[in-house]
Amino acid sequence: ETVMTQSPASLSVSPGERIALSCRASQSVSTNLAWYQQRPGQAPRLLIYGASTRATGIPARFSGTGSGTEFTLTISSLQSEDFAVYFCQQYNDWAKTFGQGTKVDMK
Amino acid sequence: QVQLVQSGAEVKQPGSSVKVSCKASGVILNIYSLTWVRQAPGQGLEWVGGIVPTFATANYAQRFQGRVTITADEPTSTAYLEVNSLTSEDTAIYYCAGARLGYCSDGVCYTHYFDSWGQGTLVTVSS
Repeated sequence: ETVMTQSPASLSVSPGERIALSCRASQSVSTNLAWYQQRPGQAPRLLIYGASTRATGIPARFSGTGSGTEFTLTISSLQSEDFAVYFCQQYNDWAKTFGQGTKVDMK
Repeated sequence: QVQLVQSGAEVKQPGSSVKVSCKASGVILNIYSLTWVRQAPGQGLEWVGGIVPTFATANYAQRFQGRVTITADEPTSTAYLEVNSLTSEDTAIYYCAGARLGYCSDGVCYTHYFDSWGQGTLVTVSS
């Protein structure tokens, strides 16, 4: 099983700030990496797939980079609706695995 | 546009079983898989397993193997998750998620990212 590790576990930031969230895989997943956003009380929503491709309707302030075992999700200027939990997930294996999530809340 | 609509909340006693459903629309099921992801209170996301309805091939996370059954009814585009021998640790929101099929080989199916999600079904296990 590929273990996904995210850091930090939580982040307190102010609106307008730029943030970078990290995701590391225990073995190479190539670019078969997705990022999801989960707001309180809602189902997760796909943000990024293929490590760097934004899903339909996702604002350009969200960007993803990386390949192999190291990945980053960057939000260039945090908006109020971006305070949420972010999960990475690998789909390189038939057994899917998620990171434990990074909670982004308001400072 | 893919829509996934799940069955309603359940309250179950320890040791019993629960079966939840997920009805898909707007998708061709021979190129799409339906997957179950669970989220315990205040916790992260955990892949339970998935099925490609057209091929009736279900794959499970190792920790759920033998206690969970995923089935699908292709004519109604509905997938089902049954969990047996429930304990309080099974209390969670169970999400149905959809992903395009990559390919199947040697009994396992490789799928892509989850591009659609159901609204979630809360299963509470309590005596």
